[in-house]
Amino acid sequence: NAGVTQTPKFQVLKTGQSMTLQCAQDMNHNSMYWYRQDPGMGLRLIYYSASEGTTDKGEVPNGYNVSRLNKREFSLRLESAAPSQTSVYFCASSEAWTSKNIQYFGAGTRLSVL
Amino acid sequence: GESVGLHLPTLSVQEGDNSIINCAYSNSASDYFIWYKQESGKGPQFIIDIRSNMDKRQGQRVTVLLNKTVKHLSLQIAATQPGDSAVYFCAENAGGTSYGKLTFGQGTILTVHP
Repeated sequence: NAGVTQTPKFQVLKTGQSMTLQCAQDMNHNSMYWYRQDPGMGLRLIYYSASEGTTDKGEVPNGYNVSRLNKREFSLRLESAAPSQTSVYFCASSEAWTSKNIQYFGAGTRLSVL
Repeated sequence: GESVGLHLPTLSVQEGDNSIINCAYSNSASDYFIWYKQESGKGPQFIIDIRSNMDKRQGQRVTVLLNKTVKHLSLQIAATQPGDSAVYFCAENAGGTSYGKLTFGQGTILTVHP
């Protein structure tokens, strides 16, 4: 049981390049999330998918797009990477879209944009 | 102590001591709280949660205390071990329009000296 799996683990991009971060969970969870973590700023929600077939913006969605490919997979796309998007990206999932649910996290993708 | 939205404090303890990590939250509507542990290079890991209708909850070597009057949350770790060294985050769910979302604090760095 792997939990939440993110690929790649590391990535270096040049300004203007595009890439997709992949996330998959094997816990049969309904809700999935993408966060970014910057030094001293905690985790900030980029996008979330409350259930398969729905996606919504979080706190910092600009410059990103997402796709809930199926119940297991939720991808994050940077169409034109900028240095400000240098960060560690975490995917998470939870059993359901409720106010009292535990989110389980992947190991993260460390992205540098030069 | 930590406050959701502010600086990153640190706590250094000796192995075997008890540790207390604090978190102040600002949203009086928050009704669910989680503590996460994040080791270097890894994703956040669930430790313990508490609902607003409780003021104390115990786990294995950990206790969470909730004081709604002063909007304060604390995590107590008994007999702290070197393996407890990590960044600890509190997270809150404010319900309402934030249904399903968690807001994370910046974290507290715990260092345990052998």
